[in-house]
Amino acid sequence: GENVEQHPSTLSVQEGDSAVIKCTYSDSASNYFPWYKQELGKRPQLIIDIRSNVGEKKDQRIAVTLNKTAKHFSLHITETQPEDSAVYFCAASLSTGTKETGANNLFFGTGTRLTVIP
Amino acid sequence: DAGITQSPRYKITETGRQVTLMCHQTWSHSYMFWYRQDLGHGLRLIYYSAAADITDKGEVPDGYVVSRSKTENFPLTLESATRSQTSVYFCASSEGWLAYTDTQYFGPGTRLTVL
Repeated sequence: GENVEQHPSTLSVQEGDSAVIKCTYSDSASNYFPWYKQELGKRPQLIIDIRSNVGEKKDQRIAVTLNKTAKHFSLHITETQPEDSAVYFCAASLSTGTKETGANNLFFGTGTRLTVIP
Repeated sequence: DAGITQSPRYKITETGRQVTLMCHQTWSHSYMFWYRQDLGHGLRLIYYSAAADITDKGEVPDGYVVSRSKTENFPLTLESATRSQTSVYFCASSEGWLAYTDTQYFGPGTRLTVL
């Protein structure tokens, strides 16, 4: 199966600075890479995703880059704010089986706890 | 997000008891998933379902049973709970099959403690 590694496990930045979280994956067949933000006691919420045919995607202060050759992808948060403090998870997905019996299973990294210091 | 709910939100049980966690979605999504979340492991897939009456194992299925008689419901049963099954359980759903077209949306989670 797929194996996703995520670094660092904790990250502290000053408000206004940038934060970068990196993930690697093992299965070259993975073709979809979402990032989830999870606040304490809440559900994971999708914040951005990237498909395997795209190298970079931006959404306001958040960007994700993908290097298929090296099998790694990264989350970049610029101009960090205290409300960005949360645990961030990367994931890699590949479709298994057929449309009738399979699914787009997600394999998650172990998470990064981001703390933005005011 | 209100389209996918889980019950109960908190559950305390004893070793050896059977417990069922419920998941309900109102989007008519075909695909549903159960994950468990533990410190140091992130989220790991327990079971998934492509449609009513079609289920399959994920990464960590041992000790769990699922069923899906209706599209909107996907219950997870621990037949004989063990302490190692103490965890937060998340249900998720997605509309389609192709990973690059469909996103998984998560329920609010159930915090299960096995004493």
